[in-house]
Amino acid sequence: EVQLVQSGAEVKKAGESLRISCRVSGSNVTSYWINWVRQLPGKGLEWMARIDPSDSYTNYRPSFKGHVTISADKSIDTAYLQWSSLEASDSGIYYCARRYMGGANGLDFWGQGTLVTVSS
Amino acid sequence: EIVLTQSPVTLSSSPGERATLSCRSNQSLLSTYLAWYQQKPGQAPRLLIYGTSNRATGIPDRFSGSGSGTDFTLTISRLEPGDFAVYYCQQYGSSVYTFGPGTKLEI
Repeated sequence: EVQLVQSGAEVKKAGESLRISCRVSGSNVTSYWINWVRQLPGKGLEWMARIDPSDSYTNYRPSFKGHVTISADKSIDTAYLQWSSLEASDSGIYYCARRYMGGANGLDFWGQGTLVTVSS
Repeated sequence: EIVLTQSPVTLSSSPGERATLSCRSNQSLLSTYLAWYQQKPGQAPRLLIYGTSNRATGIPDRFSGSGSGTDFTLTISRLEPGDFAVYYCQQYGSSVYTFGPGTKLEI
């Protein structure tokens, strides 16, 4: 069974750093892009970035580039999203989701989401 | 960046009715890379349709997708109570993916 299991909720202060994780099980992680999607409170979905775990090639939405960093450790089938300096406006739910590299499938499996709360 | 708009913002319907949701792009898309997702409160999104018209695994045939170029449609025939949710379209044909703002389907 395919599962993307994300790390638990985080409560941080503005200016602090944070790394959240997404562990993939039940599939070969190097065959899939791992995507990160943000959902601000009461708002829609925003695609942030994606990573190819086989070589750590990345693409970022321009508005997120420089503010977050995504990475992956294929040896443990895990992808990461990190901030070096959080802002209150980063508060929201962050989802990881996979997309098969070899076809036109969409984001077919999603993590349960990680709630990030940043106080100012 | 490819921008997607969805209409209507909110759609009021009743069980048993047919719902038609629209997604429009500011530039022509490869049909292969247009998807639809359903999201219920407190849950992660679920893939419904990929490649404009292909149902994802386990999605009933009440859900269908169509379109090309800049205009795409998700149709839900015979609405069931569990279908009332927010629906997002997404393009993934460029190196930067984008979602539409969503349509809330309410009773």
